[in-house]
Parts: sequence; C-alpha cells; structure tokens
Amino acid sequence: AAGVIQSPRHLIKEKRETATLKCYPIPRHDTVYWYQQGPGQDPQFLISFYEKMQSDKGSIPDRFSAQQFSDYHSELNMSSLELGDSALYFCASRGGMNEKLFFGSGTQLSVL
Amino acid sequence: QKEVEQDPGPLSVPEGAIVSLNCTYSNSAFQYFMWYRQYSRKGPELLMYTYSSGNKEDGRFTAQVDKSSKYISLFIRDSQPSDSATYLCAMTRISGNTPLVFGKGTRLSVIA
Repeated sequence: AAGVIQSPRHLIKEKRETATLKCYPIPRHDTVYWYQQGPGQDPQFLISFYEKMQSDKGSIPDRFSAQQFSDYHSELNMSSLELGDSALYFCASRGGMNEKLFFGSGTQLSVL
Repeated sequence: QKEVEQDPGPLSVPEGAIVSLNCTYSNSAFQYFMWYRQYSRKGPELLMYTYSSGNKEDGRFTAQVDKSSKYISLFIRDSQPSDSATYLCAMTRISGNTPLVFGKGTRLSVIA
C-alpha cells in the first residue's frame, strides 16, 4: 500500500539559509499535517491543511510557511534557518473523517 | 502541565515479559486514542487506534482506555527484541481535522 512520501530524507544547511521540505500524502487523503521532532522529544505540531486550506496552526515560527497544492502534496518552506531548527520533520496525512494519522519517514534537517 | 503525560522511561524488560505503557491526559475533550511505535530516526507507525473505553486487542497488543480516569494503557504480551522502540501515545478531539497531541514517548528495550 502507498504510504506518505517525504523528500529529501536528509538535508544539511547553514545558518540563515532556506530549505524546502516536500510531502506527498497517501492517495485520496485530503489532510496533511507537519510535525517537528527534536532529539528525544515528542512530535510538536506545526501546521495542517485540509483541502488546500490551512486548517490548524501550532508552534510554527514566522520564518516558516507551508502550503498544500492542487494535487494535495504539501511543502514546508523554512527561511533564515537557525541551529535550533535542526530536527526531524514529519509529514502525516489523514483521509475523510478518519482520525487515524499516517506518518512519512521524515526529513532530517541539520543546520550547521 | 502538558495535556498528555507519559513516562519517558527508559524501560528495559527481558524477552517474553509483559510490558505495560501508560499515559494520562487532562483534556476531557479527547475522544480518539492511538499508540504509535517509532524506531530510531524513523516515522511513527500506527499500532493501535481506539475511541471507546475498554480494551481492544490486536495480536500481542492490547490497548486500554479509561475515560473516567483519563488514563490509557498499551500492553505488549510475549515481548520480543524487535519490540524495542519508542512508544508514543497520541489523542485528538472529536472533530475531524484536529491535530494529534502526543505524549513524550516511552523508550522500551527488550533484552534477549
């Protein structure tokens, strides 16, 4: 069965650079969530989209933005990167009114 | 106080032991409860999903929910070394697109 696809798997950036993370949800899933997970931490909710509209906003910094496109894939854009942005970034998708959330393998971002 | 509390462990048990993992929560609006398993540097994998008080069994795993006490548990019978991972409880309110709130995760090691 198709799963949530994230790219890239690993990303190394320097401070003040920008990064774009991509997420392709499970087919026919209309809701996408972005989470940030620091080492030894639980996933922290950043932002979500339902039918291409932002539906919820969590602890996403103003330096970050995201959108969901017509094919339901989503991109997380990160600017003015800081050392503290180094983390695993997960995308998850959900379909219809089903509460089950399915996660991708994540993008490991390292800011040097 | 976090909405969801989970003992981070680490928890170390011998192979074949019964493992009990627990979470408490403070928000009575949470109605859907999930347990995720996360291997190191991988995305969380949905293990169990339940929405009613009581027990739900799936193979060696049993999820238990007590809404009156705001307490959920995951039991693993006949634990195997391959069960060694971090286990995250997660929950969400009744409306369809609200994000999951996670516990901090319990790191489990099953020793052969």
